[in-house]
Amino acid sequence: DAGVIQSPRHEVTEMGQEVTLRCKPISGHDYLFWYRQTMMRGLELLIYFNNNVPIDDSGMPEDRFSAKMPNASFSTLKIQPSEPRDSAVYFCASSSSRGGYSQPQHFGDGTRLSIL
Amino acid sequence: GDSVTQMEGPVTLSEEAFLTINCTYTATGYPSLFWYVQYPGEGLQLLLKATKADDKGSNKGFEATYRKETTSFHLEKGSVQVSDSAVYFCALTGNTGGFKTIFGAGTRLFVKA
Repeated sequence: DAGVIQSPRHEVTEMGQEVTLRCKPISGHDYLFWYRQTMMRGLELLIYFNNNVPIDDSGMPEDRFSAKMPNASFSTLKIQPSEPRDSAVYFCASSSSRGGYSQPQHFGDGTRLSIL
Repeated sequence: GDSVTQMEGPVTLSEEAFLTINCTYTATGYPSLFWYVQYPGEGLQLLLKATKADDKGSNKGFEATYRKETTSFHLEKGSVQVSDSAVYFCALTGNTGGFKTIFGAGTRLFVKA
């Protein structure tokens, strides 16, 4: 079975540019999560969706960040304008509510973002 | 709110040594508990889980027991290999956070040949 698919795997861009990260969750999963991982701050939850609806975006650092989930098989995380401090690895994860809280999250391989 | 605390790393061991990574949690109810592992350049992946008190999760020689009385879920392995070098995250789901997972800070393990 295909896992969570993220694209691109690597992104290098200049400060001020718009960055769009993409995620395809596992088919049938109804929860989708976006995380950011850095050495300094560790793994941070940015936002999560249930059935395509944003449930909690309290982790989104500022208005420059936005996320959408137009359908059950696709989500985007956008940064506009980007800044060097946004450099990090961004992970997407999905999970299923079937089976209750025992179901784990499934992570993609991440997008390594570098803002110059 | 709910939280997870795990021992700081890095932990450095020689091959075939015994491994313990401590994890304690704060939660008023009955969450599910997990250990995830992250290898270099990859996302986190489930290592093992336990869903109720006294359950033992196990996988690839790793074990952890859900201890409600001590609110702990310590990870153990009897004989580590170089290939076990990775970052290990303790986590919980359920309770007040619903399907949101609360992760510990991660513990980096280095295993020397």
